[in-house]
Amino acid sequence: NAGVTQTPKFRILKIGQSMTLQCAQDMNHNYMYWYRQDPGMGLKLIYYSVGAGITDKGEVPNGYNVSRSTTEDFPLRLELAAPSQTSVYFCASSYTQQGEAFFGQGTRLTVV
Amino acid sequence: GENVEQHPSTLSVQEGDSAVIKCTYSDSASNYFPWYKQELGKRPQLIIDIRSNVGEKKDQRIAVTLNKTAKHFSLHITETQPEDSAVYFCAASLAGTASKLTFGTGTRLQVTL
Repeated sequence: NAGVTQTPKFRILKIGQSMTLQCAQDMNHNYMYWYRQDPGMGLKLIYYSVGAGITDKGEVPNGYNVSRSTTEDFPLRLELAAPSQTSVYFCASSYTQQGEAFFGQGTRLTVV
Repeated sequence: GENVEQHPSTLSVQEGDSAVIKCTYSDSASNYFPWYKQELGKRPQLIIDIRSNVGEKKDQRIAVTLNKTAKHFSLHITETQPEDSAVYFCAASLAGTASKLTFGTGTRLQVTL
């Protein structure tokens, strides 16, 4: 199993540009999450999904959108990138509602 | 919503000593408390977790204690080794909330020789 795979690993965006961060898991997990990690801070939940076709907002959803058309994929869309979105983004998945979260390797995004 | 505070933000110990990291949470309904370890440039990985029906859990050199009355939980690492150097995050979640973990701000542990 590859686990949770995120692409790209690094990206530089200009202010106002858009992009999609890809996340795929091959563990047949229903629960998937997107977190952002700012320097010296913990992880903050952006969006989460409890299954295909179901998504909901987390703590910091503004400026982002998600979709979950399949169990495996959970892409995160950034529209009109802003410097405040410079961060490291982690996708994660879990088998149960309160089980171990398996993280992807992260995407380091810089908005200039 | 839930708020998790974590202390200290940095901790330096000598190899072989013990390290203790403490977290407090605000919502008494929280019932799941995992600890994640993140090595530099790597992804967070679960090292131990505890549920509210248990007061203590051990796994080799790592233990976690939970005090529901005081709403705090702690990570204890004994006989520390250089490979224990990393950032450790505590987290809390409420039952029925799709494991929406609320993370602490992290503790950078440095184990010196």
